[in-house]
Formats: sequence, C-alpha cells, structure tokens
Amino acid sequence: DAGVIQSPRHEVTEMGQEVTLRCKPISGHNSLFWYRQTMMRGLELLIYFNNNVPIDDSGMPEDRFSAKMPNASFSTLKIQPSEPRDSAVYFCASSAPRPLGHIQYFGAGTRLSVL
Amino acid sequence: QKEVEQNSGPLSVPEGAIASLNCTYSDRGSQSFFWYRQYSGKSPELIMFIYSNGDKEDGRFTAQLNKASQYVSLLIRDSQPSDSATYLCAGEVNEKLTFGTGTRLTIIP
Repeated sequence: DAGVIQSPRHEVTEMGQEVTLRCKPISGHNSLFWYRQTMMRGLELLIYFNNNVPIDDSGMPEDRFSAKMPNASFSTLKIQPSEPRDSAVYFCASSAPRPLGHIQYFGAGTRLSVL
Repeated sequence: QKEVEQNSGPLSVPEGAIASLNCTYSDRGSQSFFWYRQYSGKSPELIMFIYSNGDKEDGRFTAQLNKASQYVSLLIRDSQPSDSATYLCAGEVNEKLTFGTGTRLTIIP
C-alpha cells in the first residue's frame, strides 16, 4: 500500500499567487482530512470529507481557502490569493470506513512558503 | 483554553528509563484518544489509541485513560534514542481529531 500521497512536497510562491495542494488517500478509505501545522498553533483540522462530501469546514481560516474532493481518490486544497501567514506544513490524512475506521493515516505533507 | 492540553516540554529522559507523557482534555464527548509520534520534518504516525478507561499495553508502550479525570497518558518503557520525537495527543469526537501542541521528548544516551 502506497499510503496517503501528497504533492508537491515543497511549494514556494509569492504573495498573491494561487496555490493548489493535492492529496490521494489510501485506496478504500472513505474519509479525508486536511490539516495545517505551525509552530505557534500546532496541528489544526481545516476540513474533512466523508464519501467525497464536505462534512465540517469550520477550521478553514477564511474564504481564501477552498477544498474539493471530486472523487474517492483525489482531493485538492486551494489558497487564492496566498499570504505570508499561510506558510505552514499542510497534511492530508485518510481513514477507513467504520468499524475499521477512526485511525487516521497521514501523508508526508506539503511545506508551503509564501514570500 | 485549548481542548487538548499537553506539557510542551522538552522532556529529557535517560536511555533505558521510563518516559511519561501526559495529556488532559476538556470535551467530555471525546470518544477515543490517540498518541502520534512525529519526528522532526516528518508526518505524524500512530503509536497507540485507547477508548476505554484503564491501561492498554503494546510492547514498550502503555496508554492510560481516566475519563473521570479527563486525563490520558503514554508510558514508554526502556526508552531508546529512537524514541526522541514530538508526541501528539489527540481526542476524537465524531471522527474529528483535536490535537494538543505536542511534547518534545529527548532520550539521553
């Protein structure tokens, strides 16, 4: 099993540019989670999907952030326009359907730097 | 007040000793609790989870849960240098995990 796959691993962009982060969950998993990790705030849940449907986006910081899951094997997190305070590591995680579920497996993360 | 609180450390423990990591939570609706280990520059990886009061053992690791006191702990026996990492505690409510800020553990050879 390849695990959760995220791309790109590193992204450096200039303020105002659009950034798109990508995630492929583990095959057979039906829940997908996007997190942001910073030194100051730790690991924070941004949004999660169940069966491709957004369930809770209360962690999305503002309208500049959007996430989609067009099918069971792909999700994107988009920031438009990006700002320096968006610099962080963004993780995607997935979990299996219950009763096997509730254990979240994390991807390697995308380190975003907004200059 | 954060929903999940951890002592940020750093916690230094001699090799071979027991490392004790603690976590408290405020949401009594929390159903399960997870301990993740995160090496510097890497992603979190699951160490253990627990959902019933009492102890759960897996090799050198023991997770303890006390729902009345809203307290979760992780004990690492026979600590090894490879255990040096940041340990994240998380509580689950309806599939959502809320993480503490993590405790940085250093095992001293």
